[in-house]
This record gives sequence, C-alpha cells and structure tokens, in this order.
Amino acid sequence: DTEVTQTPKHLVMGMTNKKSLKCEQHMGHRAMYWYKQKAKKPPELMFVYSYEKLSINESVPSRFSPECPNSSLLNLHLHALQPEDSALYLCASSQTGDGDNQPQHFGDGTRLSIL
Amino acid sequence: AQKITQTQPGMFVQEKEAVTLDCTYDTSDPSYGLFWYKQPSSGEMIFLIYQGSYDQQNATEGRYSLNFQKARKSANLVISASQLGDSAMYFCAMRGAYNQGGKLIFGQGTELSVKP
Repeated sequence: DTEVTQTPKHLVMGMTNKKSLKCEQHMGHRAMYWYKQKAKKPPELMFVYSYEKLSINESVPSRFSPECPNSSLLNLHLHALQPEDSALYLCASSQTGDGDNQPQHFGDGTRLSIL
Repeated sequence: AQKITQTQPGMFVQEKEAVTLDCTYDTSDPSYGLFWYKQPSSGEMIFLIYQGSYDQQNATEGRYSLNFQKARKSANLVISASQLGDSAMYFCAMRGAYNQGGKLIFGQGTELSVKP
C-alpha cells in the first residue's frame, strides 16, 4: 500500500461533466504535486503546491483547477475536459519543495477516461 | 537545461539474472539528486533508490544498486537476481538543488520484461 492515497481509482466522465480527483498524505510532507501520464510515457508535471501555496503551474489549461485545502489534501477539479485529457493522473508528495535529495512519493493514480 | 536520457526502450532478462538499465544525464547544477522509479502495469510509481551528486559511494537498496559515474554523467540501475515481479517500466529522474521548486526531470523510461 502506498502512503499517498488517491481517489477514485477510475473515472469515466463526459465532456460537460464536473468532477474532482482527490489526494491525501499523512507523512507530514509540505510539497504536493499533480502529474499527467500517457501510456508508455514519463509523467508530465502539472502543478506544485509548497506549504499549501501554488508554486508551479506548468501552463495547464484552465479546465484543470487545483486546490490545496490543507497540508494533507490536494484536489484537482475537472470541468469541460477534452478526449485528449484521458490519462493516468498521479499525485505525489515530498518533505518540502526544496533540496535535491528528497524523493517524491506517488499515489496509485486515477485512470481518467473522457467520453 | 537539465535532461535525462534512457536509450533502452525495452529490455528482456532471464529470471535470476542481473540486468543493467542505462541512464545518462545533463545538468549545470553543482548539486543534484538522481532517482529511479518502478512503474508496474497497475500504474503506481514506486521509488527505488536515490544517489546524491556528492555521495562518495554508490547507493544500494536490497537487490537494487546504482552505478554512479559522475565524470561520464551516468547513473545506471543494476537489478540483481531478477524476479518475475520486476517486470515493469523503469524511469530515471533528476532533481537539481536550484531548479524550480523541486521539479523532477524524467527520462523516457525502459520497459523491462523478466522471462521465466
């Protein structure tokens, strides 16, 4: 079992739906990340939260809206997605957002399919 | 700019044999970290091993070891005594001390298949 929990594991939604992905960690980490991953490709960074503040937005379309309600929770709100947004969405956390020696710990991911 | 290169898209290894997965990197940061992750078909990314740029010894974690050659800018992963459960995608990644907020730079990955 991973220490980063993501829900739901699978999500199918239409292009007009609104849904949210959730991520939770209880390791006391202060940096949390959202990645998008296509099959057989490396993860692509979307957002970074450091101490509950958005520190990096990798030019992600506004139909993806992140939220960090507290240091343990990270949400990704989805609205009006496109078929090309179908992918595995991974959440990760690390002790802080600084330094080069901290591994990021990943959740199991949410497999998202857009109809 | 930082870059990670994994030149082996796919590899096969016989069960119980050792296998080396290649990774080269490029960075101008004097301090950086190198990471290997395993991703089974189920999707989770599993952290395997870490090597710091100033570490004098190669990192080891159980059956995993990292062959770090700083002058050649390579950080190859060695898996000893391969098991069927080692079949997965393996990603090499780098993080610089001074880069943007802890961003991990990933290579393209190597898909390892272990044959019985």
